[in-house]
Amino acid sequence: NAGVTQTPKFRVLKTGQSMTLLCAQDMNHEYMYWYRQDPGMGLRLIHYSVGEGTTAKGEVPDGYNVSRLKKQNFLLGLESAAPSQTSVYFCASSDTTGNTEAFFGQGTRLTVV
Amino acid sequence: DAKTTQPPSMDCAEGRAANLPCNHSTISGNEYVYWYRQIHSQGPQYIIHGLKNNETNEMASLIITEDRKSSTLILPHATLRDTAVYYCIVRVKAAGNKLTFGGGTRVLVKP
Repeated sequence: NAGVTQTPKFRVLKTGQSMTLLCAQDMNHEYMYWYRQDPGMGLRLIHYSVGEGTTAKGEVPDGYNVSRLKKQNFLLGLESAAPSQTSVYFCASSDTTGNTEAFFGQGTRLTVV
Repeated sequence: DAKTTQPPSMDCAEGRAANLPCNHSTISGNEYVYWYRQIHSQGPQYIIHGLKNNETNEMASLIITEDRKSSTLILPHATLRDTAVYYCIVRVKAAGNKLTFGGGTRVLVKP
């Protein structure tokens, strides 16, 4: 039981390049989330999903796209990376009750130069 | 979303209890109070959560006031490994049950 797994753990991109961050969970959770965390700040919600095939915008969605083609996977895409997207990205998942914990991955550290 | 207010930082002596306050005066009746911590940029780690009653687990205790407008996380015997940023979060009981993070309290446990 791995919980929430993020790949890759580290990445350096050049401005304008694209990439996809993968989040996988093995807990059969309906809800999944992508957050970003800038230095010295709390996590901010980018996008989230309440089930396979559905996605919704969070607090800071601009510049990102997401897909949830399979229940266990939630992908975060950067089509044209910008230095402002340099951050640590965290994925999380939870069940639907709201009365249980959300589980977080260990993060992806992305640098855009 | 109900917002939370926490002190930005606090120090605690090793072996002593650490009491972390949180204000959430606009909390709704069916919203839970969650506490997470983040150790050195790792993924946030769940600590405890509650609705109305006080809660205790192997990591901590959560005391929620009767009016639910504030709460206190208690680490009974702080160790150096408890040094972290602690986030008090009111979980929105709506589609997605999203967790909205504030700035948290940076706790430094000193020998």
